[in-house]
Amino acid sequence: EAQVTQNPRYLITVTGKKLTVTCSQNMNHEYMSWYRQDPGLGLRQIYYSMNVEVTDKGDVPEGYKVSRKEKRNFPLILESPSPNQTSLYFCASSLSGGLGEQFFGPGTRLTVL
Amino acid sequence: EDQVTQSPEALRLQEGESSSLNCSYTVSGLRGLFWYRQDPGKGPEFLFTLYSAGEEKEKERLKATLTKKESFLHITAPKPEDSATYLCAVTVWAAGNKLTFGGGTRVLVKP
Repeated sequence: EAQVTQNPRYLITVTGKKLTVTCSQNMNHEYMSWYRQDPGLGLRQIYYSMNVEVTDKGDVPEGYKVSRKEKRNFPLILESPSPNQTSLYFCASSLSGGLGEQFFGPGTRLTVL
Repeated sequence: EDQVTQSPEALRLQEGESSSLNCSYTVSGLRGLFWYRQDPGKGPEFLFTLYSAGEEKEKERLKATLTKKESFLHITAPKPEDSATYLCAVTVWAAGNKLTFGGGTRVLVKP
């Protein structure tokens, strides 16, 4: 089954404790992206990647890192999480970059205390 | 700054009562406009891509149209299963493959 998977689905952590949210897709897509969704602010893009070793900033990249060492994986790294990073995070992938249909993962709900 | 505004924020419809959702955008050089549907607790699901003014696309009870300043998502004779949040997003030539989403319209269709 074609899908985007994220782990963990739920995470509660404390300020400053480094964490990684994994994202993997099995559709051989070139494009992958991370978003955060907050009430009243909608869905905002954090980072995206057009291919292996190619990443670009979205609208809200501060406090986040990403890497694209393999085509199928695009982990989101929070080196020193803060409470304002409490949010619902979605990973997505697409065959044809920003113009293509994006397939979204199930989401990761992160709480930073 | 590129802006995408959706209205209304929320819409309550009776089953069968057709309506339209609006997505207005202020961008330079629209590359593509997208509509997604999002159910509670799930990731968005792709509906349509529109590229140029005058373009229309249909899928079941949904029809998306595009002008130079806005897009409409028409819901014809909605059913309760059409209840969801509908999201609009744009990408522009100057920003590569970056996507900017609007705030969404929550649609509730009552039987």
